Amino acid sequence: EAGVAQSPRYKIIEKRQSVAFWCNPISGHATLYWYQQILGQGPKLLIQFQNNGVVDDSQLPKDRFSAERLKGVDSTLKIQPAKLEDSAVYLCASSLRAGTSSYNEQFFGPGTRLTVL
Amino acid sequence: AQSVAQPEDQVNVAEGNPLTVKCTYSVSGNPYLFWYVQYPNRGLQFLLKYITGDNLVKGSYGFEAEFNKSQTSFHLKKPSALVSDSALYFCAVRDDSGYSTLTFGKGTMLLVSP
Repeated sequence: EAGVAQSPRYKIIEKRQSVAFWCNPISGHATLYWYQQILGQGPKLLIQFQNNGVVDDSQLPKDRFSAERLKGVDSTLKIQPAKLEDSAVYLCASSLRAGTSSYNEQFFGPGTRLTVL
Repeated sequence: AQSVAQPEDQVNVAEGNPLTVKCTYSVSGNPYLFWYVQYPNRGLQFLLKYITGDNLVKGSYGFEAEFNKSQTSFHLKKPSALVSDSALYFCAVRDDSGYSTLTFGKGTMLLVSP
């Protein structure tokens, strides 16, 4: 079974530039998550999709971050414009389905390491 | 709001010795608890989970964790550490409602010396 794919693996940009990250979840997984992991901290959820709908984006800085999952499969996370404090690893994860009392394990991709200079 | 505390930034243990990585949590309702491991330049890998039932949970690579409701703890343990266990370990919690999301601790670096 193929895992969660992310690209690029590394990205270096200047502040105020734009950047986009791509995620392809495990086939058949309805739920997709984007996390931000700052060095020395645990992952923090930015946004959760159920199919192509947003379930939770309460911690997404909407003035500069946006995400979409138009066809309920792949997803793109964009930052525009980037700030120094956006330097982090951006992790994508997927699970079979959320919204039930049972738990479906989240599978994580390798992440994209973003450096903002 | 739910939260996780991992009080140790780093745990050092000699190969062959038992290891414990500590985790305490706070959540409304019943907790779902998890341990993930992260190797350098890799994503998080699932180790084990507690949802309900037996307080001692066994997971991958010989790891286990004990759920203690009165102490709100979920410590990760292994009877005999390996050098290859050296990695960053994250504890995470969510409640048992439908769309509850995971909250992670800040992580504990485990270093196993030969």
